[in-house]
Amino acid sequence: GAVVSQHPSRVICKSGTSVKIECRSLDFQATTMFWYRQFPKQSLMLMATSNEGSKATYEQGVEKDKFLINHASLTLSTLTVTSAHPEDSSFYICSARPQGSKDSPLHFGNGTRLTVT
Amino acid sequence: QKEVEQNSGPLSVPEGAIASLNCTYSDRVSQSFFWYRQYSGKSPELIMSIYSNGDKEDGRFTAQLNKASQYVSLLIRDSQPSDSATYLCAVSRLRGNNRLAFGKGNQVVVIP
Repeated sequence: GAVVSQHPSRVICKSGTSVKIECRSLDFQATTMFWYRQFPKQSLMLMATSNEGSKATYEQGVEKDKFLINHASLTLSTLTVTSAHPEDSSFYICSARPQGSKDSPLHFGNGTRLTVT
Repeated sequence: QKEVEQNSGPLSVPEGAIASLNCTYSDRVSQSFFWYRQYSGKSPELIMSIYSNGDKEDGRFTAQLNKASQYVSLLIRDSQPSDSATYLCAVSRLRGNNRLAFGKGNQVVVIP
């Protein structure tokens, strides 16, 4: 149980275009989902907390107008990288925990490898 | 000072040996501690969670937590080549709080 699906797994886009990444909880509901970014040889860095039905909470230094987050339902959160640039190339990973299960650890999606050319 | 530190470099261990990984954290009030395994190009998968001082064993893995000294460790017994991966230590301030702070990870290479 507690499967998190992320799509696409890989995407290559041109500089200046936008890319949307989907994160779905397949067998549970999640009022909160988390978006991380990981550059090569570095740790996971939390970008933002996605809240169902309300605005996302962004970490310091993360541009909310560049990384648009929408959490329209209890099973889906999307991250849109707008006007992508080569420095946005990274591994983006979402995570979630079943609603109401405070003590269970986070479950991660399989990640999206974004390459901006 | 970083929130979560994993300072040791790549760890090479022979197959069947014990791999020992350490992690320290700066926030004294942290309550939840996790070890994740991450294979190259993949997302992290949970190995262990620990919330109380002492040892917690799960198969070949043992997590050790010492809140007074602010460290958490992971032992991998009878290391297998499939254990070769990067191991990430993660800490959250409140039990049930989803905001995890990750260490940079320790690479483990198990030599057949």
